[in-house]
This record gives sequence, structure tokens and C-alpha cells, in this order.
Amino acid sequence: NAGVTQTPKFQVLKTGQSMTLQCAQDMNHEYMSWYRQDPGMGLRLIHYSVGAGITDQGEVPNGYNVSRSTTEDFPLRLLSAAPSQTSVYFCASSPQGLALDTQYFGPGTRLTVL
Amino acid sequence: AQSVTQLGSHVSVSEGALVLLRCNYSSSVPPYLFWYVQYPNQGLQLLLKYTSAATLVKGINGFEAEFKKSETSFHLTKPSAHMSDAAEYFCAVSGLTGNQFYFGTGTSLTVIP
Repeated sequence: NAGVTQTPKFQVLKTGQSMTLQCAQDMNHEYMSWYRQDPGMGLRLIHYSVGAGITDQGEVPNGYNVSRSTTEDFPLRLLSAAPSQTSVYFCASSPQGLALDTQYFGPGTRLTVL
Repeated sequence: AQSVTQLGSHVSVSEGALVLLRCNYSSSVPPYLFWYVQYPNQGLQLLLKYTSAATLVKGINGFEAEFKKSETSFHLTKPSAHMSDAAEYFCAVSGLTGNQFYFGTGTSLTVIP
């Protein structure tokens, strides 16, 4: 099993550009989530999904869109990048809900917005 | 909202010494609590979790944590630090609805040879 994979590893954008961060898992997990990690702030939940076709907002959803068309994939879209979105982004999956179960994290995407 | 507070953003211990990383939570009901570890340039991995069973929870790599409701604490300990324990440690709590998750700000552990 590859676990949770994320692409790209690094990305530099200009303000206003759009892009999609990819996340895939091969563990048949129902739950997937996106976090951003900023210095001194820990990780904050952006969006999560409890299954294909079902998504919901986390703590810091503004500026990000998600969709979940398959169990395996959970892309994160930035429609118009802003410097405040410079961060490291982690995708995670878990067999059951966030409350009870282990989350398995991808290696992260380091995004810089100029 | 649920939250966790990690006291000390940086902790240094000598190799072989006790590791104590502090975490306090705010919650009106006993929550589910977690400790995750992040090694440099990697994602996070679960160390241990408390889900209202035994109050003393044992995790991987010799770490353990004790849930103390009276102190609203969930401190992480390890009797003897190894060089390989150098990493960033995050305490986390789940939301009451079960689908929200809140991390602390993290504690960076340095192990001095």
C-alpha cells in the first residue's frame, strides 16, 4: 500500500492564480481531511469528507474548495491564491470518524504564494 | 469549541532523561484525546489516543499519557529519551460532533547527547 499520497511536494504560485492540490489514498478509508500547518499554530482543519459525495467545512475553510467524487481522491482547490495561503498542506485519511480513529497523513505539500 | 493548550513550544532533555510534554484541554465533557508526532519533513503519525477506556494510555516507542479529568490534562511522558525522539509533538482533541479535530500548537523536542 502506498498509503496517503500528495502531489506536488512543492509549489510556488503568484497571487490570484488557481491550483489544485492532489490527495489520494489506497486504504479504502471513508474519511479524508485537509489541514494546513503554519508556524506556531499547529495544524488546522480546512475541509473534510465522510465519504464519496459528502464534504463539510472545518475550522478554516475560506478560500478553499473540495469535492469527493471517489473514495480514493480528495483534491483541494485554491481558486485565487493569496499570500495568506502560504503554508504546508497535509491530507489525511481514516477508516472511521476523526474523533475515534487514527488518521494517516500524507507527506505534505509546501505552497508559497508570492 | 474544543481546544488544547501545549505548554512549552520547545523542550530540551538529555539523552536518557525523562520526557514530559504538557497538554491541557478545554471541554465540558470528557473528550477523545490524541498525541501525534512529526519527524522532520514528514507527515504526522499517531503516538497514542485516549477514547474513554483506561486513563493511562500506552503508545508506540515507549511513550505513554495519562488522562486526568480533574486537571483537564493529558501529558505525554517517556522514562528515557533517545536521540531518535527528537521531533515535533502535537496534542489534539476531537470535536463534540465527532468530525472536527483540533491540534495544539506543538512542542519541539530536542534530545541532547
